[in-house]
Amino acid sequence: DTAVSQTPKYLVTQMGNDKSIKCEQNLGHDTMYWYKQDSKKFLKIMFSYNNKELIINETVPNRFSPKSPDKAHLNLHINSLELGDSAVYFCASSRAASGAFYEQYFGPGTRLTVT
Amino acid sequence: AQSVTQPDIHITVSEGASLELRCNYSYGATPYLFWYVQSPGQGLQLLLKYFSGDTLVQGIKGFEAEFKRSQSSFNLRKPSVHWSDAAEYFCAVGPSNTDKLIFGTGTRLQVFP
Repeated sequence: DTAVSQTPKYLVTQMGNDKSIKCEQNLGHDTMYWYKQDSKKFLKIMFSYNNKELIINETVPNRFSPKSPDKAHLNLHINSLELGDSAVYFCASSRAASGAFYEQYFGPGTRLTVT
Repeated sequence: AQSVTQPDIHITVSEGASLELRCNYSYGATPYLFWYVQSPGQGLQLLLKYFSGDTLVQGIKGFEAEFKRSQSSFNLRKPSVHWSDAAEYFCAVGPSNTDKLIFGTGTRLQVFP
């Protein structure tokens, strides 16, 4: 049983295209996240959602739009892809709730390559 | 601002040797501290965490870490490294008021037979 899953694992696309990455967790967690890992392996949070509500939005371009249809899913849609969007995108989840902090569990990542 | 520093970008050890990976953090109060491992082409796996209590925490795969408040450190150790431990290791700190994780830049571990 995969706790946090992402699709696709690899995504190669051209500049200007629009693409989506899907994430699902079966851990029953309330909070989900998107992280970006750049070519130097640096990890930075992009968004977090708690029970379908946006909690963190870390100065990410408007071209990136997260969508959470329910608390088990958090998808990432990217418009007008640019070369600089090439990275590995990780989804994560935790049982974090207001005033409480817990460890985060990560998915396998989606390697996005923009040509 | 909260930050995490991993001073060693790349470490090479022989199989069977002991290992210590350094992590220093900057945070005003008691942080929540984590070590994650990322094998090539894989996601991040949680090795261990420190929230409070005993400052020496045990994790999976034979790893342990010690929280030293006076040194603002949370170093990861393993007494005998296996070839399968070759990976990228990330230290992270979680501020207590939000659910944001701040990661260090990672240490790449190479293991020679």
